[in-house]
Amino acid sequence: GESVGLHLPTLSVQEGDNSIINCAYSNSASDYFIWYKQESGKGPQFIIDIRSNMDKRQGQRVTVLLNKTVKHLSLQIAATQPGDSAVYFCAETNNKLIFGAGTRLAVHP
Amino acid sequence: GAVVSQHPSWVICKSGTSVKIECRSLDFQATTMFWYRQFPKQSLMLMATSNEGSKATYEQGVEKDKFLINHASLTLSTLTVTSAHPEDSSFYICSAFSRAGGTEAFFGQGTRLTVV
Repeated sequence: GESVGLHLPTLSVQEGDNSIINCAYSNSASDYFIWYKQESGKGPQFIIDIRSNMDKRQGQRVTVLLNKTVKHLSLQIAATQPGDSAVYFCAETNNKLIFGAGTRLAVHP
Repeated sequence: GAVVSQHPSWVICKSGTSVKIECRSLDFQATTMFWYRQFPKQSLMLMATSNEGSKATYEQGVEKDKFLINHASLTLSTLTVTSAHPEDSSFYICSAFSRAGGTEAFFGQGTRLTVV
């Protein structure tokens, strides 16, 4: 079946460094891709999204890159802070909102 | 930003009883709501898609008679776990799409269900 998956289950970075979280998807018909952040015991929090007709989108300290050729999505976080520690999910939409496996980001001082 | 309120935030119930979880969009109209289930250290698994005024569409493997979903208005959807068993213990999360919000989904705080 169709799925959205992640390459790295955990990522540890030093405070101030840049973080890159990767995601692979399989449904070429998906029209939007979204990154969410989830803290323990809470619902997902929207970070940034990108349309399928774009390859890059920037937000505040975050950038999402989409490579449709290899069906790959990444989230870049600049100057990672301790408050960025959480689990990050990519998700794709095509009438449904389907989540990937998640990557835990641990930021060390 | 848009707010989705999910209630209760946690509930403990006895095996065999039913539990209702509410999901309300507080400041926008949600034509579509999604219900998810999340086990510890796992991703959100889509259970069903709920459209206002129509029957919910369930994902493969999700028992529609066990997980009753009602979306009676543009601001309220409910999930009822019927005849709950310990294996139903999980974190349940709802998500609502705003009509004017494009593809941004707003999530409730989640409900921690423990069946004893």
